[in-house]
Amino acid sequence: IAGITQAPTSQILAAGRRMTLRCTQDMRHNAMYWYRQDLGLGLRLIHYSNTAGTTGKGEVPDGYSVSRANTDDFPLTLASAVPSQTSVYFCASSDGPASYGYTFGSGTRLTVV
Amino acid sequence: DQQVKQNSPSLSVQEGRISILNCDYTNSMFDYFLWYKKYPAEGPTFLISISSIKDKNEDGRFTVFLNKSAKHLSLHIVPSQPGDSAVYFCAAIIGGTSYGKLTFGQGTILTVHP
Repeated sequence: IAGITQAPTSQILAAGRRMTLRCTQDMRHNAMYWYRQDLGLGLRLIHYSNTAGTTGKGEVPDGYSVSRANTDDFPLTLASAVPSQTSVYFCASSDGPASYGYTFGSGTRLTVV
Repeated sequence: DQQVKQNSPSLSVQEGRISILNCDYTNSMFDYFLWYKKYPAEGPTFLISISSIKDKNEDGRFTVFLNKSAKHLSLHIVPSQPGDSAVYFCAAIIGGTSYGKLTFGQGTILTVHP
């Protein structure tokens, strides 16, 4: 089934540990995005990539890094997790102008303790 | 600074009646607006969109209205069904015809009672 696969589905992580959230799409979409969802704040953009080899910062990039070595994969890394990074993380992709809408993955629920 | 705001955290509606979800924005540069629907444990799914050059877009039971002067948009669902119960996010973008980035509101939880 075409779409976006995120892994893991959920994770409890000790503060200070490093963690990589994986995101893979099989739709050959050029653009990919990472959002975090927090109660009362909605979805906020962390990082994005318009095409393989390029990345950019979103609204809340601090503490996170991304890479885009190829079209399909867009991992998000927390170098040293802190409790404020407890959130639900969504990866998304787009096949053209953003007005077409994004396709989202099912999310990763991360708890930093 | 929240550029896209959904001031109603929740809305409860009887099945068959109209659901109206509201969204306000502050940035007059936004030129495309979208609504997403999200069920628990799933990612958001695209529902309907509208360009700033229009004031209405309709797709089946879903209609989005845009009032540019008031910087306000609304999503109407008629008739509402229990399966519509979900979190609804409005989103906006500058440069809807390019690889822009969506700015989302906080979301509104819609509950449709049978």
